[in-house]
Amino acid sequence: EAGVTQFPSHSVIEKGQTVTLRCDPISGHDNLYWYRRVMGKEIKFLLHFVKESKQDESGMPNNRFLAERTGGTYSTLKVQPAELEDSGVYFCASSLTGESPLHFGNGTRLTVT
Amino acid sequence: AQSVTQLDSQVPVFEEAPVELRCNYSSSVSVYLFWYVQYPNQGLQLLLKYLSGSTLVKGINGFEAEFNKSQTSFHLRKPSVHISDTAEYFCAVSDTGGFKTIFGAGTRLFVKA
Repeated sequence: EAGVTQFPSHSVIEKGQTVTLRCDPISGHDNLYWYRRVMGKEIKFLLHFVKESKQDESGMPNNRFLAERTGGTYSTLKVQPAELEDSGVYFCASSLTGESPLHFGNGTRLTVT
Repeated sequence: AQSVTQLDSQVPVFEEAPVELRCNYSSSVSVYLFWYVQYPNQGLQLLLKYLSGSTLVKGINGFEAEFNKSQTSFHLRKPSVHISDTAEYFCAVSDTGGFKTIFGAGTRLFVKA
């Protein structure tokens, strides 16, 4: 089966610009998660979708971040406008059930200059 | 609230030597515990998981971990490491029945010839 795929793998943008990250989960995985790792620190939870619904978005840093999962398939995470502190690696993961281990994508490395 | 502490940020070790990567967690409820590994330029992969039952859990690539409830620890061990084990290792916890997985800051394992 195809794994979790993320696009782009790298993105370099200027402060104030907009960036959209995309995640395609494993087919059939209703649960989709976004995580972020900043500067070698811990991987922090951003939000969790079950199908197209946001189950938990308690980790979203602020309203500059918008996540969507229309149709319950792929998801996008938009940052608008980007700030320097948004730099980091954004990981997407999916799972079959809430008790299943997470399957991760390779991440998108975002650099805001 | 749950948290995970990985006590060592970097662990250098010679090839064929044993290694232990330490992980402590805190939680007010029963938990599931995981170790993930991230090789360079890849996503995180599941090494092993503890859901219930035997406290000694065996994973892939010869790794094992022991769940110690009284010490709230889940240390990862391997009796003889290889160069190819060089990677970053993450301990993670989620509460039973929950969906949010909390990660530690990671431990970089360097295996030297």
